[in-house]
Amino acid sequence: DVKVTQSSRYLVKRTGEKVFLECVQDMDHENMFWYRQDPGLGLRLIYFSYDVKMKEKGDIPEGYSVSREKKERFSLILESASTNQTSMYLCASSERGNEQFFGPGTRLTVL
Amino acid sequence: QKEVEQNSGPLSVPEGAIASLNCTYSDRVSQSFFWYRQYSGKSPELIMSIYSNGDKEDGRFTAQLNKASQYVSLLIRDSQPSDSATYLCAVNRPGGSYIPTFGRGTSLIVHP
Repeated sequence: DVKVTQSSRYLVKRTGEKVFLECVQDMDHENMFWYRQDPGLGLRLIYFSYDVKMKEKGDIPEGYSVSREKKERFSLILESASTNQTSMYLCASSERGNEQFFGPGTRLTVL
Repeated sequence: QKEVEQNSGPLSVPEGAIASLNCTYSDRVSQSFFWYRQYSGKSPELIMSIYSNGDKEDGRFTAQLNKASQYVSLLIRDSQPSDSATYLCAVNRPGGSYIPTFGRGTSLIVHP
């Protein structure tokens, strides 16, 4: 079975802190994605990566950056956390054109 | 802006009934279509994928695709309370990155 893991289920940070969210997949998938999910707004794509060291902005990249140094690992970085970044963050991976497999999510609260 | 539209619901059906969930999309060149189920507090999980016009059945679930009318639907037969969840429609565009566009989801409630 495909397994996507995320470094934390719950995280509480303070405004201005640098936050790292890590995602690891074990199926050698090319594509990896970071989303945030907020009530009433659905899943919104932050960034995605289609290969090691390759990344593209999604719909809401402002305030975020990403890193993909190894194929299995995709990190989301909040350079300076703000309260409006309080959300559920979901990582996913896929082969090209195929279904996505999601991690369990990280619920981030920024105080 | 490519869009995927779903009725947010909630759609309420009695146990044992057929639940019908619908999704429309705006990009005519879309080729891959997916239905995900998301329980409250959990992450989405794939139920069905469909790539060509017509019906695809898997157990109690049937996905229907009509590319000419640009809609995809999910039928759940013999609905159970455990089917109560939010159902997300996702549509991939062809191209080098295969980025999916998700609808906002339809909340389904199956009451005993």
